[in-house]
Amino acid sequence: QLVLTQSPSASASRGASVKLTCTLSSGHSNYDIAWHQQQPEKGPRYLMKVRSDGSHSKGDGIPDRFSGSTSGAERYLIISSLQSEDEADYYCQTWGAGIQVFGTGTKVTVL
Amino acid sequence: EVQLVESGGDLIQPGGSLRLSCAVSGFTVSTNYMIWVRQAPGKGLEWVSILYTGGSTYYTDSVKGRFTISRDNSKNTLYLQMNSLRPEDTAVYYCARDGRYGGDTYWGQGTLVTVPS
Repeated sequence: QLVLTQSPSASASRGASVKLTCTLSSGHSNYDIAWHQQQPEKGPRYLMKVRSDGSHSKGDGIPDRFSGSTSGAERYLIISSLQSEDEADYYCQTWGAGIQVFGTGTKVTVL
Repeated sequence: EVQLVESGGDLIQPGGSLRLSCAVSGFTVSTNYMIWVRQAPGKGLEWVSILYTGGSTYYTDSVKGRFTISRDNSKNTLYLQMNSLRPEDTAVYYCARDGRYGGDTYWGQGTLVTVPS
């Protein structure tokens, strides 16, 4: 079964870095994923795609301080130089055969 | 500029029907994979349905047999027909261009469907 696992919360001080993890279920470690940001009371915003080969491609207008990487079945979103506007929920998404799955989301708090 | 504008959300009694629309500008619906995603109050994102370019459709288990995704190429618009609505269908519904095969995911602003218990 295709499942994405995310930690419920993460926090870091303004100006610091935070690394969010999205883990693919067993047997799906070669899947690509996408990261989406949802600020309070807003709709989702596409951030980037992170591929199984470790490459990533960001959406238009996404700041350089957002990056992605891969290690095995884990896909990461790294936010550097954390800003107050980065306080949001972050969801990973992946694609199967006739199905799509979202992770449960990680709430990032900027201290 | 890419825009997806959902409409059609409403307060509807259990068992009722509703059709959501997603008017698209900036790209062609028929040549892109299109999806509906919903978010119940205080909850996370949940994929609902996908419409492939070739016309194939898929649904999450909880809406199979009740919801139908479709498109009108002449209007460049995506639809979600929702029948036999249940309180657990209460959510903000977003349409999006799926970004699986190249290109970005583009999201609409969402439309609220409320089915009271």
